[in-house]
Amino acid sequence: GDSVTQMEGPVTLSEEAFLTINCTYTATGYPSLFWYVQYPGEGLQLLLKATKADDKGSNKGFEATYRKETTSFHLEKGSVQVSDSAVYFCALTVNTGGFKTIFGAGTRLFVKA
Amino acid sequence: GAVVSQHPSWVICKSGTSVKIECRSLDFQATTMFWYRQFPKQSLMLMATSNEGSKATYEQGVEKDKFLINHASLTLSTLTVTSAHPEDSSFYICSAKGMVESSTGELFFGEGSRLTVL
Repeated sequence: GDSVTQMEGPVTLSEEAFLTINCTYTATGYPSLFWYVQYPGEGLQLLLKATKADDKGSNKGFEATYRKETTSFHLEKGSVQVSDSAVYFCALTVNTGGFKTIFGAGTRLFVKA
Repeated sequence: GAVVSQHPSWVICKSGTSVKIECRSLDFQATTMFWYRQFPKQSLMLMATSNEGSKATYEQGVEKDKFLINHASLTLSTLTVTSAHPEDSSFYICSAKGMVESSTGELFFGEGSRLTVL
């Protein structure tokens, strides 16, 4: 079945470090891929998305590229800030007679000053 | 962008009482709303999917008589936790999907509601 696997956390980085959070997926058809971010005590909000192969989603310095050949959608940021501390969820949506969204387990990121 | 609002953000209730959580799409019509439950440091668990004007579709293992979902209009869905017990304490999150974004499946989330049952 369809699934999303992302790297386990927590990930702890110093400010201005480079961030990579790996995400791979399995899906039938052609899913859309998303990264959502959840700040402490809040709901999720969309960080970025890509709807077809080779698309690059970007927002707030974060990027992820839809790689069909490796079924991956890794999240990257060149220089993290303390304010980026949050939980990041990779997700895919497939339309099989109705949209279904599948979330990864989430990766908690701590950025220290 | 599309805004989804949940109310209340926090609720504490006594065991045996019922609690209602509202989820509203403020600036768009939500054809479908989803309710999730999130345990501490865990991912979201989809509880049910509701379409306006029809009965909710519950995921396996979710008690529909325990978690009543009503989607009476295109901008409002409610989750009622009936006869709540301490094990129902959790963070409940709703999301909505509007007609405009239906082509990509992007979801818009509420802020979440933390329920504590004493």
